[in-house]
Amino acid sequence: AQSVTQPDIHITVSEGASLELRCNYSYGATPYLFWYVQSPGQGLQLLLKYFSGDTLVQGIKGFEAEFKRSQSSFNLRKPSVHWSDAAEYFCAVEGGGNKLTFGTGTQLKVEL
Amino acid sequence: GAVVSQHPSRVICKSGTSVKIECRSLDFQATTMFWYRQFPKQSLMLMATSNEGSKATYEQGVEKDKFLINHASLTLSTLTVTSAHPEDSSFYICSARVERQGLFEQYFGPGTRLTVT
Repeated sequence: AQSVTQPDIHITVSEGASLELRCNYSYGATPYLFWYVQSPGQGLQLLLKYFSGDTLVQGIKGFEAEFKRSQSSFNLRKPSVHWSDAAEYFCAVEGGGNKLTFGTGTQLKVEL
Repeated sequence: GAVVSQHPSRVICKSGTSVKIECRSLDFQATTMFWYRQFPKQSLMLMATSNEGSKATYEQGVEKDKFLINHASLTLSTLTVTSAHPEDSSFYICSARVERQGLFEQYFGPGTRLTVT
């Protein structure tokens, strides 16, 4: 069965600083990987996804993620964080039946 | 495109009563929808896969008689929490599966906060 690990429960960065959120996955085949963002009391918004091809994926809101098969990682990055980026971020891997398995999430706090 | 709505957004009910939550795909048809449950400050856990015109497939440990899922049309799936108890209080989120260029993506609804008193 697939699994996702997000080692950082909370991360605090200053506005304008760079950001990297870590995600490691376990899956027996070529993974389909996703990053979602959730604002308080809201559903999930897809930031970006990796299916195949270029391992550096560009998403919305200036986010990008890099798939590294050798490290089983799919880390999310942003060069300059804005205060509005404060939210919960979830990494997910798709398994059989298009079922998504989510990591436990990383809560991002942005200091002004 | 690919907007998913949920109704209600928030509901409070008394213990022992049943609550129905609707999930609609507004601008597309979805043969498959998913229902998730999220406890405070925790991740999303898949409860069941809802397929239009057939019975839902439940994940291990999810009581199918307690969480009734009906996917009667290509744009609507409903989750009914029967005989609700305080431990059923949670944030319920649905998603709808969309095919894009031969691959499937899920679009999520805004969630429904259920509080059982």
